[in-house]
Amino acid sequence: GQSLEQPSEVTAVEGAIVQINCTYQTSGFYGLSWYQQHDGGAPTFLSYNALDGLEETGRFSSFLSRSDSYGYLLLQELQMKDSASYFCAVGNNAGNMLTFGGGTRLMVKP
Amino acid sequence: ETGVTQTPRHLVMGMTNKKSLKCEQHLGHNAMYWYKQSAKKPLELMFVYNFKEQTENNSVPSRFSPECPNSSHLFLHLHTLQPEDSALYLCASSQAGTATEAFFGQGTRLTVV
Repeated sequence: GQSLEQPSEVTAVEGAIVQINCTYQTSGFYGLSWYQQHDGGAPTFLSYNALDGLEETGRFSSFLSRSDSYGYLLLQELQMKDSASYFCAVGNNAGNMLTFGGGTRLMVKP
Repeated sequence: ETGVTQTPRHLVMGMTNKKSLKCEQHLGHNAMYWYKQSAKKPLELMFVYNFKEQTENNSVPSRFSPECPNSSHLFLHLHTLQPEDSALYLCASSQAGTATEAFFGQGTRLTVV
């Protein structure tokens, strides 16, 4: 089976940097993904790491360490609109199934 | 607009009713998924279809019955549900074998009374 752990809630101020961690235990691994979900909205894809290291996409970066079964999402220059839930997810070996973490609710304050 | 459309957006049904949720994707994907999202719980994978064939059934009770007539459409038939089945039901699609980037619909908010 697969399980993922991430903090349930994080609070930060506008303009700051925040890191959301994710640890996983999997029987197979096909990469770590991150999704954003605003209240009442659909989850939307943010980033994906198949290999170790940092992937940068604008203000958002994602990191993976397969040996540590660990990754994180880094959000820079926080904006109020970044207030949302963030989910990490792992794919299985066949790449046809995504298992999600419980989500981290990020609250950005002025 | 995400390219994945779910109807209805909201549904209230009694425990003896039969209803169906519909999902349609216009992205040319060949894998489709049903997820359940309950308050304070992770997104739970229910079913996976690859090229119209069901490849995963994540121990879902038989009162939930999926149907995938083609790669663009996915249904979830509901009957004799329980109040604990009340949740947001999300449909997603991706290219088969690359579930790294899934596209989600807006979901159906289901309330069982």
